[in-house]
Amino acid sequence: KQEVTQIPAALSVPEGENLVLNCSFTDSAIYNLQWFRQDPGKGLTSLLLIQSSQREQTSGRLNASLDKSSGRSTLYIAASQPGDSATYLCAVSDTDKLIFGTGTRLQVFP
Amino acid sequence: DTAVSQTPKYLVTQMGNDKSIKCEQNLGHDTMYWYKQDSKKFLKIMFSYNNKELIINETVPNRFSPKSPDKAHLNLHINSLELGDSAVYFCASSRWGSGQNNEQFFGPGTRLTVL
Repeated sequence: KQEVTQIPAALSVPEGENLVLNCSFTDSAIYNLQWFRQDPGKGLTSLLLIQSSQREQTSGRLNASLDKSSGRSTLYIAASQPGDSATYLCAVSDTDKLIFGTGTRLQVFP
Repeated sequence: DTAVSQTPKYLVTQMGNDKSIKCEQNLGHDTMYWYKQDSKKFLKIMFSYNNKELIINETVPNRFSPKSPDKAHLNLHINSLELGDSAVYFCASSRWGSGQNNEQFFGPGTRLTVL
């Protein structure tokens, strides 16, 4: 049974820092991995999708990597800003459903 | 220009009542999902429909009955509501058969509170 874990559970950093969020999964037979952002009381915003055949994806200040064999993904956020404060969720897809991690709650203070 | 929309946004009701949540997507997708986010913020799949056909039913109590009148709509009806049903329910959609490129898009969520 697929299990997805995210470390750390919470992170508080000063503005401008580069930071890394970690996601690990137990079964490497995945179709893809998605990173989402969830603001308090809001829905999920898709940030990046990495296909299982890919190693990384980039969007602006975000870079996500995938190492399927070791069951790991990282989300790198460059030059963090207070507006990046949110909960970040990773989810792996096994064909037709997403299995979510426990999330990392990020706070970026000025 | 909302891609995936849900109504209502908030739902407060008494135990034992029956309620429905509606979801619509205008992305042209053929697969829709319901996820539940519990009080600990953990998100879990409940159902998925492809072309109005049930694909996934993740051991959800049969008090929950999804209905898909067409590819663009997936509604969730809940009978005899219980306190433990209090959660945020998210609808999502994607394009079936896109394999590794199967990206899911989520609605804003419906916060259900059962008193």
